[in-house]
Amino acid sequence: ETGVTQTPRHLVMGMTNKKSLKCEQHLGHNAMYWYKQSAKKPLELMFVYSLEERVENNSVPSRFSPECPNSSHLFLHLHTLQPEDSALYLCASSQVQGLTSYEQYFGPGTRLTVT
Amino acid sequence: KNQVEQSPQSLIILEGKNCTLQCNYTVSPFSNLRWYKQDTGRGPVSLTIMTFSENTKSNGRYTATLDADTKQSSLHITASQLSDSASYICVVSFISNFGNEKLTFGTGTRLTIIP
Repeated sequence: ETGVTQTPRHLVMGMTNKKSLKCEQHLGHNAMYWYKQSAKKPLELMFVYSLEERVENNSVPSRFSPECPNSSHLFLHLHTLQPEDSALYLCASSQVQGLTSYEQYFGPGTRLTVT
Repeated sequence: KNQVEQSPQSLIILEGKNCTLQCNYTVSPFSNLRWYKQDTGRGPVSLTIMTFSENTKSNGRYTATLDADTKQSSLHITASQLSDSASYICVVSFISNFGNEKLTFGTGTRLTIIP
């Protein structure tokens, strides 16, 4: 195990539902990330939190809302999603010092299906 | 535009054989290059990280090479095992206009080892 856990591992939701993805890291890192992985496409960085502050939002639609209550936990709140949002959502963490981000450790992902 | 291209897209080899995966990138300015292994249904796990000055780095049966002049990297797997079946993702790190480190992901090579 990498020290990063994600729940749930699988999620099926309708377009009108509201759900949340949870990520927890046990590595003492100070930065956390949300990625989206769709079939045959590179990982897409969605959000970056460093020292519990959102430092990057890569033009992600507002139906995805991140929350980082502390350096060990990261949430992704979902509402009124579209079928094209179906993907594997990966959480990662790393240690950041100044402008340098060290190796990222990934969780197992949440497989999301929007019906 | 910063890009990472991997080849082949997929590869099938017999157990015990060797194979080499390729990665070409146009990322600049270069910081480091990483190879990740992603098992089905799991998050990526780091295999190697190489900086500009490193030409080769090994991790067990995995050997990565880097030619920073031609902007090419390869991952060589020796004496393949069934557990090597996975996607292998090349990731190149660069320094953004704001001076922070960012990652560019390839689409991966899907490797299947058959007995």
